[in-house]
Amino acid sequence: ILNVEQSPQSLHVQEGDSTNFTCSFPSSNFYALHWYRWETAKSPEALFVMTLNGDEKKKGRISATLNTKEGYSYLYIKGSQPEDSATYLCAPSSARQLTFGSGTQLTVLP
Amino acid sequence: EPEVTQTPSHQVTQMGQEVILRCVPISNHLYFYWYRQILGQKVEFLVSFYNNEISEKSEIFDDQFSVERPDGSNFTLKIRSTKLEDSAMYFCASSTSGSEYNEQFFGPGTRLTVL
Repeated sequence: ILNVEQSPQSLHVQEGDSTNFTCSFPSSNFYALHWYRWETAKSPEALFVMTLNGDEKKKGRISATLNTKEGYSYLYIKGSQPEDSATYLCAPSSARQLTFGSGTQLTVLP
Repeated sequence: EPEVTQTPSHQVTQMGQEVILRCVPISNHLYFYWYRQILGQKVEFLVSFYNNEISEKSEIFDDQFSVERPDGSNFTLKIRSTKLEDSAMYFCASSTSGSEYNEQFFGPGTRLTVL
């Protein structure tokens, strides 16, 4: 069973602030890392699938980096907006299954 | 945009009863999954399904659980005799392939409450 840790557990920021969270995972037998954004009462929405060490992906104001050698990924949000409020989940994948961290709950205050 | 749908959104049942949770995956997807999240805990993998067979399952997925694709569109999770500890949010997901690099698309979940 993979041990996936996310920090912080929750975060409150002001609108316009930039923020980042961490996902750490075992670096051995790594295949890919998935980031999801999950708003209450909605489906978790895939943000990124990252595979290569040093990978950097961007979608609008959200970006992510990956370090497979040390087993961590950072998710960055630039200029947070209230609509960014959600739980952000990371999940390494292996054997056709995702192993989720407990998530970072982000609240962006207007 | 195609999406995974799940019904019902909330199911309440008595302990010992059978429940069937239903999912309609995205139409051209070939791999299907069930995950669950017990309140306050992490989302956990239950089972993956391909070509009418289970391809992977976790230790949670014991004999009380079964999955089926009864027709070309539905994918179901059956719990034969529910226990209190089965209360959780159950998520269905689907993907075009079973590759680790492939995105899994999730439904909105069914909240199961066992009384």
